[in-house]
Amino acid sequence: DSGVTQTPKHLITATGQRVTLRCSPRSGDLSVYWYQQSLDQGLQFLIQYYNGEERAKGNILERFSAQQFPDLHSELNLSSLELGDSALYFCASSVAVSSYEQYFGPGTRLTVT
Amino acid sequence: DQQVKQNSPSLSVQEGRISILNCDYTNSMFDYFLWYKKYPAEGPTFLISISSIKDKNEDGRFTVFLNKSAKHLSLHIVPSQPGDSAVYFCAARPLTGNQFYFGTGTSLTVIP
Repeated sequence: DSGVTQTPKHLITATGQRVTLRCSPRSGDLSVYWYQQSLDQGLQFLIQYYNGEERAKGNILERFSAQQFPDLHSELNLSSLELGDSALYFCASSVAVSSYEQYFGPGTRLTVT
Repeated sequence: DQQVKQNSPSLSVQEGRISILNCDYTNSMFDYFLWYKKYPAEGPTFLISISSIKDKNEDGRFTVFLNKSAKHLSLHIVPSQPGDSAVYFCAARPLTGNQFYFGTGTSLTVIP
């Protein structure tokens, strides 16, 4: 158990809908990262927050947004969902803004039908 | 553009033998490399890492080798055990910036 929790574990929704994925980092970790893993793809970095502020942005679509709250949990919002958004979404956390080690949650599997 | 590549989607080895997982990268600005292990229905877990100033790092049965001139790293597991069966991801981070770049993973099966 990495100490990172993600909810929900599974999510099935229809095209055009909006969903929110939630992540609670390990106790003491200030940095949260979001990744997307599509079928047969590696983990694609989406975005990083550190202590409430956005610190790095990867290949995140404009339809996606994220935030980190004062209690350090983070939410990833996916809107106008398309079939291609079906993927595993992982959250990871680390102590510092630029840590080498990240601790991953179990992921949320999103299926868009 | 896949900056970190794992060209072998799968690998099978006999228990007790050596497992060698390979990873290639294209960005010469990468300065830190990591291997993660992932079991089904779980998130990746950190396994071993290496800085670009080194060419080898060892931790128990796991050794990572870095060849900067070839932009290649490898993970050696010896002896391989059935519990090592998992998907292994290679990742890299540039000198500046917080973004990690992951490969597509290699599924290792250790046959008892």
